[in-house]
Amino acid sequence: AQSVAQPEDQVNVAEGNPLTVKCTYSVSGNPYLFWYVQYPNRGLQFLLKYITGDNLVKGSYGFEAEFNKSQTSFHLKKPSALVSDSALYFCAVRDMDSSYKLIFGSGTRLLVRP
Amino acid sequence: ETGVTQSPTHLIKTRGQQVTLRCSSQSGHNTVSWYQQALGQGPQFIFQYYREEENGRGNFPPRFSGLQFPNYSSELNVNALELDDSALYLCASSLALAASYGYTFGSGTRLTVV
Repeated sequence: AQSVAQPEDQVNVAEGNPLTVKCTYSVSGNPYLFWYVQYPNRGLQFLLKYITGDNLVKGSYGFEAEFNKSQTSFHLKKPSALVSDSALYFCAVRDMDSSYKLIFGSGTRLLVRP
Repeated sequence: ETGVTQSPTHLIKTRGQQVTLRCSSQSGHNTVSWYQQALGQGPQFIFQYYREEENGRGNFPPRFSGLQFPNYSSELNVNALELDDSALYLCASSLALAASYGYTFGSGTRLTVV
């Protein structure tokens, strides 16, 4: 079965420090991977996606993600965290059998302390 | 360019009742997908509509149904509400059928069933 795992319920980081939010996936074939962010009482906002090409993908708000096929991972990173980055982050993969559907992980809450 | 608008933002229903949630898609987007996000979980795909027809469906019972109108807006109807239907319901619009083209999500409707 296809799935996405976000092993950390919460990530705590100090402002100005680098942050990493982890994601691993399990799909057959070449994955299409996404990161979304959710602020309180808001919907999901698209950050970035990997379809093909360069393994390092740059996205919105200074975020980037590294696709690692051998480790089946797609970790979200940012060199310098901001307090305003505090939110809920979701990794998702396109369903290989039903291309119209995204399969989401359970989410990771990022808390950036001043 | 307008984003995805959902209404109402919150509502409370009694078990056994019926509910209709509404979604206006982003300008130019012809495809609408609905997701259910239970507390502490990632969004789960309910179904997708394209050109007023259901294009795909997730693992939800038939009491979850939908409509898409000629202007691409959409409704999600849930009959015989159960307590477990309490969740944030997200509407997402896109320009094409495949998820790889990216979704624009609305802020959601938070449904509480008592």
